[in-house]
Amino acid sequence: DAMVIQNPRYQVTQFGKPVTLSCSQTLNHNVMYWYQQKSSQAPKLLFHYYDKDFNNEADTPDNFQSRRPNTSFCFLDIRSPGLGDAAMYLCATSSPGGAGKEQYFGPGTRLTVT
Amino acid sequence: AQRVTQPEKLLSVFKGAPVELKCNYSYSGSPELFWYVQYSRQRLQLLLRHISRESIKGFTADLNKGETSFHLKKPFAQEEDSAMYYCALSGRGAGSYQLTFGKGTKLSVIP
Repeated sequence: DAMVIQNPRYQVTQFGKPVTLSCSQTLNHNVMYWYQQKSSQAPKLLFHYYDKDFNNEADTPDNFQSRRPNTSFCFLDIRSPGLGDAAMYLCATSSPGGAGKEQYFGPGTRLTVT
Repeated sequence: AQRVTQPEKLLSVFKGAPVELKCNYSYSGSPELFWYVQYSRQRLQLLLRHISRESIKGFTADLNKGETSFHLKKPFAQEEDSAMYYCALSGRGAGSYQLTFGKGTKLSVIP
C-alpha cells in the first residue's frame, strides 16, 4: 500500500544532543510537511517542502531544520533539543495539483528529551 | 489570520445518541474545511471535506458561512466512533494548500 512511513516511532535523546527524524513516502506527492504536536494541542506546522522549495513557518525556531534529498524522503533535524521540544512529530504529504488538498499522515515519531 | 476553534476538548455521548462536534473558523475569504480523525493507535486521516458534500461513516458536515461554522454531525453514535476529531481549514485555490488545525475534540461513545 502507498503510504507515509516515519522512523523511528519512538526516539529518546539527551538535552542538547542533535537528533534526526526521518520520513519517507511511496505516494509520489510533491509536498511534504513536518508538524509538531504536543499533548492536547493541535498539530503545529513547522515547515514544508513543495518539491525542492523549502517553506519555513515564521515562528519555527532556528533549532529545527529540514532536508529533502529526493521526492521520497524528508528529514527533520533538531540541532540542540531542549526539554520543550519533547513532542509527537508528524510527517504528512499532499499533492495539491493532483489529488487535492488532502494530507496523508505518517504514524508519528514521539520524541523524548532527557 | 486564519483560526479554527473547537470549543469542546471532550465530548461523551451514549451509543445511539446524536453527536455534534463543533467547529468555528475565522478566515478572510472562502475557505475549504475538513474533518480529520485519529482512532486509537492509528494515524491522523481525512474523514470528510466540505466541497465533497459526502457522508462518511454516517457523518456529515455543512459549511455555514453566515455562522462561520463547520459542525460534524451523526444521528446515531457507535462505539467505533470514539476517537480524536480535528477540524481543519485551508484557503481556496491551488496556492493555498496548507492546513490550519483546531485543537481537537475527543469523542467518547459510552456503550
